[in-house]
Amino acid sequence: GENVEQHPSTLSVQEGDSAVIKCTYSDSASNYFPWYKQELGKRPQLIIDIRSNVGEKKDQRIAVTLNKTAKHFSLHITETQPEDSAVYFCAASKYNFNKFYFGSGTKLNVKP
Amino acid sequence: SQTIHQWPATLVQPVGSPLSLECTVEGTSNPNLYWYRQAAGRGLQLLFYSVGIGQISSEVPQNLSASRPQDRQFILSSKKLLLSDSGFYLCAWSAQGGQYEQYFGPGTRLTVT
Repeated sequence: GENVEQHPSTLSVQEGDSAVIKCTYSDSASNYFPWYKQELGKRPQLIIDIRSNVGEKKDQRIAVTLNKTAKHFSLHITETQPEDSAVYFCAASKYNFNKFYFGSGTKLNVKP
Repeated sequence: SQTIHQWPATLVQPVGSPLSLECTVEGTSNPNLYWYRQAAGRGLQLLFYSVGIGQISSEVPQNLSASRPQDRQFILSSKKLLLSDSGFYLCAWSAQGGQYEQYFGPGTRLTVT
């Protein structure tokens, strides 16, 4: 089955700096890669996703890149703000497969 | 628009007592439904998922069970709670097909004492 690994487990940055979180996956058939943000005590919410037919996707300060050959994808947050502080989860799935494989999470702390 | 509800929001139960958590989805039909558990400061552990009424797939052997008596209703149960069952329980739904966003409910925080 699929195995998704996520690094780092914790990340501390200064406000205004960039943050990068990386995930690797093992199943070459995986073709959908969402990223979720979970604030303390709240539900996870999708912030961006990418499908395997594209290499990069941006939404304002957030971007995701995908390298299918190397089987890894990354979340990039630019100009970080204190409200970006949360736990971020990556996941992988594939066509007609009814569950996600989640990474173990990255706790991002943005220091003001 | 679609909405997902969970109740109760918080629950404190003694060891050995039964459990019933409920999740309902509005505004969609034939969704995939999921139960996750999240221990404090940890990741998302998939417990059960369902692709249709009466169809339950179990991911982790444990003293929990799930049922889907109606298309948009998903229930998590236990006959006897253990201390290790404490955690944040999240229900989620997605469209059928496997390549669509999962939408999470607000969660139930369960403390077993």
